[in-house]
Amino acid sequence: ETGVTQTPRHLVMGMTNKKSLKCEQHLGHNAMYWYKQSAKKPLELMFVYNFKEQTENNSVPSRFSPECPNSSHLFLHLHTLQPEDSALYLCASSQDLVAGGDTQYFGPGTRLTVL
Amino acid sequence: SQKIEQNSEALNIQEGKTATLTCNYTNYSPAYLQWYRQDPGRGPVFLLLIRENEKEKRKERLKVTFDTTLKQSLFHITASQPADSATYLCALLMDSNYQLIWGAGTKLIIKP
Repeated sequence: ETGVTQTPRHLVMGMTNKKSLKCEQHLGHNAMYWYKQSAKKPLELMFVYNFKEQTENNSVPSRFSPECPNSSHLFLHLHTLQPEDSALYLCASSQDLVAGGDTQYFGPGTRLTVL
Repeated sequence: SQKIEQNSEALNIQEGKTATLTCNYTNYSPAYLQWYRQDPGRGPVFLLLIRENEKEKRKERLKVTFDTTLKQSLFHITASQPADSATYLCALLMDSNYQLIWGAGTKLIIKP
């Protein structure tokens, strides 16, 4: 185990549903990340939080809404998604931001299917 | 545009041989490069980091080289084992905005 947990592991939702993904890290890290991974494509960085403050939003559509109540928990709220949003959503954490060479620890991901 | 290329075709290697994976990049001046392993249904797991001023890094059966002139990193697994079968991802830290940029990964299959 990497020390990063994600729930649920699998999620199927309709385009009009609202759901949330949860991530928790038990490593005492200060930075947390959301990534999207589609088949045969590179990981796409979505959001970065450092000390629970958002530092990056990589032009992510507003139908994805992150929340970071503290340094250990990260949520991704989903609403009115599109079928092309179907992917593996990965949460990661690092001691500090990656600029210093800190490695990222990933959770197992949530496999999201939008019908 | 900025781009990282990893061989999209699966690499099939006989057990016991050395597996070599390639990560090529364009239009970057990376501060460092990382290699990760990803198994099906799991998130990536960090393996090695090599900085721009380092030529080579080793860890047990793993070796990474970094050639900033060729804009290429090679990842070697010596004495490969079936348990090494996985997808291997490279990621570069852009020194312009301190974001990690990822390759799509290469699937490695070690045959017994």
